[in-house]
Amino acid sequence: DAMVIQNPRYQVTQFGKPVTLSCSQTLNHNVMYWYQQKSSQAPKLLFHYYDKDFNNEADTPDNFQSRRPNTSFCFLDIRSPGLGDAAMYLCATSHGQGLMNTEAFFGQGTRLTVV
Amino acid sequence: GDSVTQMEGPVTLSEEAFLTINCTYTATGYPSLFWYVQYPGEGLQLLLKATKADDKGSNKGFEATYRKETTSFHLEKGSVQVSDSAVYFCALSRGTGGFKTIFGAGTRLFVKA
Repeated sequence: DAMVIQNPRYQVTQFGKPVTLSCSQTLNHNVMYWYQQKSSQAPKLLFHYYDKDFNNEADTPDNFQSRRPNTSFCFLDIRSPGLGDAAMYLCATSHGQGLMNTEAFFGQGTRLTVV
Repeated sequence: GDSVTQMEGPVTLSEEAFLTINCTYTATGYPSLFWYVQYPGEGLQLLLKATKADDKGSNKGFEATYRKETTSFHLEKGSVQVSDSAVYFCALSRGTGGFKTIFGAGTRLFVKA
């Protein structure tokens, strides 16, 4: 049973055309993350939500935005995709409370191609 | 800030060989430590975890022990199989500091028959 679901698995978008990637979860976790992963590299955290609190990484470009309308869903918006934004985008969730955070549960990822 | 350092790959082994992938971390407080595995074209899957010092995580023949004195969490397996070929990521997470999960650079493992 899929617990973190990303749609679509593969997305092709045109240079400069806004694109939205989606993520849903059935775990009721309070933390949701978006990572960018380029070939043969570690996942790079773009931002995360702790409940409704948005936490942006200092080096995440303004071109990347996110929305979390409710606990289950989170969206990644790329306002003007460039060729350098082609990558695998990974959504993950965890349950954080006090000093503890559970392991992150990952979706299968969306591979974004920019043409 | 928090960080994870793991040995560079790729690591190439013959089937049934012993595997060690080194991982060390820097973090304040008491992070939880994880090993994730990623197969081609897929997301990351949790392999094992340890939440406090001296805990040993284990799964599918893989083991790692949380060593606070050496700030390490090395991954080991006594006898690797071809199906273990993948990329392995060491990671840490803690509640303070914003609940972030921080990953090492990853180590690619090739196991040949």
